[in-house]
Amino acid sequence: GEDVEQSLFLSVREGDSSVINCTYTDSSSTYLYWYKQEPGAGLQLLTYIFSNMDMKQDQRLTVLLNKKDKHLSLRIADTQTGDSAIYFCAESISNFGNEKLTFGTGTRLTIIP
Amino acid sequence: EAQVTQNPRYLITVTGKKLTVTCSQNMNHEYMSWYRQDPGLGLRQIYYSMNVEVTDKGDVPEGYKVSRKEKRNFPLILESPSPNQTSLYFCASSSRTGEQYFGPGTRLTVT
Repeated sequence: GEDVEQSLFLSVREGDSSVINCTYTDSSSTYLYWYKQEPGAGLQLLTYIFSNMDMKQDQRLTVLLNKKDKHLSLRIADTQTGDSAIYFCAESISNFGNEKLTFGTGTRLTIIP
Repeated sequence: EAQVTQNPRYLITVTGKKLTVTCSQNMNHEYMSWYRQDPGLGLRQIYYSMNVEVTDKGDVPEGYKVSRKEKRNFPLILESPSPNQTSLYFCASSSRTGEQYFGPGTRLTVT
């Protein structure tokens, strides 16, 4: 079955880049997602990447996908205090993309002033 | 405004007392799902629905029921709640290929 792993905690100084890593086991993943959860809130989709892509950039966010190693990363440039949150990676193995997502445990990002 | 709503947001109940958490979306999405979030475990899918009257089990369906009689609503039913169902529950909806929109969450405590 699918398994998605992330480290639980990451601390970064304000202004530095944050890199959050994720590994997954199912090589038939079609879409891979990054979600952000702020305290007391639901999940907000940050970005996603289709499995035939290596990289996707969206403003301060860069997603890198290494299919051979089944490794996904999210880089946040110029990290700000508003980036403090829990970040979840998720994979979908569906051809449609959306009926079943498998989530990692989440990485809590703490910003050091 | 496009949104997924859940009610109630907070619920404290006792073991064995049936409860329903409602979920509604106003985006005409085909897909809807329920997840539970527990510390150190991330989000795990309970049930999902690909359209009206079409539902299927996710990873942790035991102790839960769902129904999808209308496209916009996808209630989660706990017939006989137990303390191990204390958790934070999220409903989500999406189109076939679009983003999943999550509700604000329902924090359930079963004593």
